[in-house]
Amino acid sequence: GAVVSQHPSWVICKSGTSVKIECRSLDFQATTMFWYRQFPKQSLMLMATSNEGSKATYEQGVEKDKFLINHASLTLSTLTVTSAHPEDSSFYICSASSTSGETQYFGPGTRLLVL
Amino acid sequence: SQQGEEDPQALSIQEGENATMNCSYKTSINNLQWYRQNSGRGLVHLILIRSNEREKHSGRLRVTLDTSKKSSSLLITASRAADTASYFCASSPSGGSYIPTFGRGTSLIVHP
Repeated sequence: GAVVSQHPSWVICKSGTSVKIECRSLDFQATTMFWYRQFPKQSLMLMATSNEGSKATYEQGVEKDKFLINHASLTLSTLTVTSAHPEDSSFYICSASSTSGETQYFGPGTRLLVL
Repeated sequence: SQQGEEDPQALSIQEGENATMNCSYKTSINNLQWYRQNSGRGLVHLILIRSNEREKHSGRLRVTLDTSKKSSSLLITASRAADTASYFCASSPSGGSYIPTFGRGTSLIVHP
C-alpha cells in the first residue's frame, strides 16, 4: 500500500520558537495533502488542504499565519507552527491522496510539546 | 456539519467475540471509509464503501452502508487482542469534494 512518512515523530520546543513538520509520500505522487490536528481521545480535526503548487485552503478557525503550509512538490508538504505556544501542543497528522482522491493515506503523526 | 458520529464511544469485549461499531452522518455521501488508529499512531485505512454499495468484506471485517438511514457499521469477527485500537469512520460528501470528515471514533479494547 501507499506509504506516507512524517518527520519528526515527536518534538519538544520552547514557547516562541517555530517548528517545521515534513510529510512525504514515499511511493506515489500526492496531488493533495491534508493536515490534521488531534487532541487526546478525540477525533481528527482538518486544519488545511494543500494542492501541489498552490496555496493551502485553511479550515475555518485555523490561522494561516500561524500554521504555514507549503506543498512544493508532489511528494512533500511541510507544516510550520510559528511562534509556538503551549496550547499548540498536540498530535499533528498528515495524509496524502493521489489523483483519484478517494483514499487518504496517513502518516504516523508528529507529537508536538511546547513548553 | 458533515461530521459522523460513532457509537458506541467505547467498547470492551473478550477475545473471540464480535465487535460492532456504528457510524452516522448527516448529508449525502460519495463514499464512507473506516480507519483504525493505534494509540499515538497514524491512521490505517481499513475499508472504503461507496454510496452505491451495501456491504463489503475484508478478512474479518464487514462493513455495511445504509444510505436511507445515513449510517454504516463495522463488524470485526472473532476479535483478537491485537484489534485493540480506536476506529474512525470518515464520510466524503457527494458533489465533487473528496475531503472526508471524521467522526469521534470508537475505542475498542479486546481482553485476552
